[in-house]
Amino acid sequence: KNEVEQSPQNLTAQEGEFITINCSYSVGISALHWLQQHPGGGIVSLFMLSSGKKKHGRLIATINIQEKHSSLHITASHPRDSAVYICAVLTQGGSEKLVFGKGTKLTVNP
Amino acid sequence: NAGVTQTPKFRILKIGQSMTLQCAQDMNHNYMYWYRQDPGMGLKLIYYSVGAGITDKGEVPNGYNVSRSTTEDFPLRLELAAPSQTSVYFCASSPDLGTATNEKLFFGSGTQLSVL
Repeated sequence: KNEVEQSPQNLTAQEGEFITINCSYSVGISALHWLQQHPGGGIVSLFMLSSGKKKHGRLIATINIQEKHSSLHITASHPRDSAVYICAVLTQGGSEKLVFGKGTKLTVNP
Repeated sequence: NAGVTQTPKFRILKIGQSMTLQCAQDMNHNYMYWYRQDPGMGLKLIYYSVGAGITDKGEVPNGYNVSRSTTEDFPLRLELAAPSQTSVYFCASSPDLGTATNEKLFFGSGTQLSVL
């Protein structure tokens, strides 16, 4: 079983819809990243969370440390939001390392 | 505003050839990483460095070598290319990966490598 699981694997939405992408993890973490990878391949860091909630424009990320779960929400989705969204956790312990989920491919249709 | 610069963008190698993927960052970051991304899989850590002169293996280091002689540069060397090394390679950097809540990862644009 992967240490980081994302759902859904693929998501298709209509423009304007509210989007939720989920990330569950099975290890102790000190932080969690949400990343965005566009069709061209470049990866952009969206958020780093260690507790609570962060908001940037139409993007909202939440984390529940006790539940070992994080969500990324997109309000009023737009075709330009189409991308792969990747969750990565920073593990605790002697040598911190990032463990990545496989990503959620989001397609927003006009 | 260069950020993380990764070269080349594309490369085709023959089995047994060697090459170096270059990575440079101008943000004075201590942490630098090399990842590979295979189709349908999450990014896997190859090697990382927490500062000049310090490197360590990640999950999939076999077939690769790195060096970190300066804070800015973190090249990845493939000595004897094999088809299993066909992948997209990403370099990344971060000032620190402790519990600071505002630290982000910065990625290079990726190198698509094919070994035939």
